Amino acid sequence: DTGVSQNPRHKITKRGQNVTFRCDPISEHNRLYWYRQTLGQGPEFLTYFQNEAQLEKSRLLSDRFSAERPKGSFSTLEIQRTEQGDSAMYLCASSSWGSGNTIYFGEGSWLTVV
Amino acid sequence: AQSVAQPEDQVNVAEGNPLTVKCTYSVSGNPYLFWYVQYPNRGLQFLLKYITGDNLVKGSYGFEAEFNKSQTSFHLKKPSALVSDSALYFCAVRGPGGSYIPTFGRGTSLIVHP
Repeated sequence: DTGVSQNPRHKITKRGQNVTFRCDPISEHNRLYWYRQTLGQGPEFLTYFQNEAQLEKSRLLSDRFSAERPKGSFSTLEIQRTEQGDSAMYLCASSSWGSGNTIYFGEGSWLTVV
Repeated sequence: AQSVAQPEDQVNVAEGNPLTVKCTYSVSGNPYLFWYVQYPNRGLQFLLKYITGDNLVKGSYGFEAEFNKSQTSFHLKKPSALVSDSALYFCAVRGPGGSYIPTFGRGTSLIVHP
């Protein structure tokens, strides 16, 4: 079990550019979550997948954000036309019935928009 | 709606002394409660959880937490603090059914002085 893997770990981009983050969950975890965390705050929920189905999206997830989980394995989070307010750490987590409903986080992907 | 309150932004304790980090919650139905720890520039690491059973839950690194249904609290405790326990601590809650999405508190910075 290699844990939740996120790439890239750090990304600096210019305002207006598009960025994509990838998450590889713990193998056989069918639930996958994306959260956003800014300095001094707790993780804020963005979106949730069960297998390949995106079941919930937060109102924080504007139309510039899109997430996919093709084939129910890895997931991508894309931010289009980035803004400085998008600067944050994007956390991916996964869980399953077998994990006792505990969600396990990756190391996060830091985004800095300049 | 579910929510978590961590009333202290920072807790200071001397090494060797007992520590408590407070958490209160609000949720419909029986709660699933979690504690996570975050070191600088890292993701969140799972410490312990309460779902059912004994109100005193033991977790990683000598931490424990006490579930109190009447006070809707789930305080994190450790009998003897270590300098290496200094980190950010997050409490999280979710309801018993349907959505499997935990809501996190804002976090408490624990500083253990030598």
